[in-house]
Amino acid sequence: QLQLQESGPGLVKPSETLSLTCTVSGGSISSTAYYWGWIRQPPGKALEWIGTIFYSRSTYYNPSLKSRVTISVDTSKNQFSLKLNSVTVADTAVYYCARHLSTVRSPFDDWGLGTLVTVSS
Amino acid sequence: QSALTQPPSASGSPGQSVTISCTATGSDVGGYNFVSWYQHHPGKAPKLLIYEFRKRPSGVPARFSGSKSDNAASLTVSGLQAEDEADYYCSSYVDDIHVVFGGGTKLTVL
Repeated sequence: QLQLQESGPGLVKPSETLSLTCTVSGGSISSTAYYWGWIRQPPGKALEWIGTIFYSRSTYYNPSLKSRVTISVDTSKNQFSLKLNSVTVADTAVYYCARHLSTVRSPFDDWGLGTLVTVSS
Repeated sequence: QSALTQPPSASGSPGQSVTISCTATGSDVGGYNFVSWYQHHPGKAPKLLIYEFRKRPSGVPARFSGSKSDNAASLTVSGLQAEDEADYYCSSYVDDIHVVFGGGTKLTVL
């Protein structure tokens, strides 16, 4: 049974960098069968895709966030991470990590429970 | 800017059927080739219900069904149950933009 768990600071100051980690258990982040992604949901708003990574080989980012986002993989820890720099209050959201069913063209079939990140001074 | 538009709300009584639409705007629907649907109960992880317009992952009840017509995709929930009250999102892969979500539809079971 695949499980994903988000972790990281729940409070980030404006202009700083938001950093989150997704720990994968029950499956290998190194598998070439799957892509891994980050999605967020601001309070009262819709889901928004942030980006996707494939085994450290390829990354895909939401064009609206691309200049501020970096997604990376740590195969030794079976984790992948999100960094979002120069955050503002608009980046306050529940952040989810998830696994694509296969490639980036496929939907997310397994999700973490999400973690709330608040941007505030 | 390409987007997926959903009605903000939908409702139905237990046992009835409800259909939620997802319309592509700002782009040829031909670019939306991989429409999927998620159910999201607040405070929980979203759940994949439908992918590639009409395919159901194992474990998803058959009363959830998807379809495609012209510029829109639809999700139909048949035999509504109280537990179906949730937010529903459509999503698709679009060339160059990659992953897009709709604005979500809040389904209320009356």
